[in-house]
Amino acid sequence: SYEVTQPPSVSVSPGQTASITCSGDELRNTYVSWYRQKAGQSPVVVIYEDTKRPSGVPERFSGSNSGNTATLTISGTQAIDEADYYCQAWDGSTNIYVFGTGTKVTVL
Amino acid sequence: EVQLVESGGDVIQPGGSLRLSCAASGFDVSSYYMTWVRQAPGKGLEWVSLIKTIGSTYYADSVEGRFTISRDNSKNTVDLLMKSLRGEDTAVYYCAREMPTVMGAKYMDVWGKGTTVTVSS
Repeated sequence: SYEVTQPPSVSVSPGQTASITCSGDELRNTYVSWYRQKAGQSPVVVIYEDTKRPSGVPERFSGSNSGNTATLTISGTQAIDEADYYCQAWDGSTNIYVFGTGTKVTVL
Repeated sequence: EVQLVESGGDVIQPGGSLRLSCAASGFDVSSYYMTWVRQAPGKGLEWVSLIKTIGSTYYADSVEGRFTISRDNSKNTVDLLMKSLRGEDTAVYYCAREMPTVMGAKYMDVWGKGTTVTVSS
């Protein structure tokens, strides 16, 4: 299995842009998903297949994946976006999923 | 409504066994890959196990040989049998449905609320 790392925390002012990175050598060969987990709740997918938003996820959420780094961007961050965010990759050769270490987003 | 409900969590002594169950409604578990993900107190998400539609099963290194995932199509449930439990298995265990995409990606689009397993003497 491989490791995927994220910054432990990101702070952002309301209305500004928050960027969360997800780094790992294998990310260049796979698609990345992003999950938001609010305190005491189950995770919810906000981005899949690197860049796609499920229905119901606000347009301010966007994703990219280039080289060995995937990025989740929250534009016009709102207080309700405060949560832990996890990236996730699928290793098709071993059929194993890997979650990133998680990033706590704080809206100051 | 598409829904997953986990059950079976308990306080169990080290070395003991426990069976978790995930009941699905609104879809057939036999038509999707189904996974278990856990989260230790104050920690991040950890993928635990996967069962494919064809029945193939896969496990994280941390549980390989101790945990067994299975599916009961008649009950529309996915179970996780956990043996030789250790303190580090203490966690909230979530059941999740995998959604494939035409591009070959996979993501977890439906999650249950989780069931808590505490391994302690």
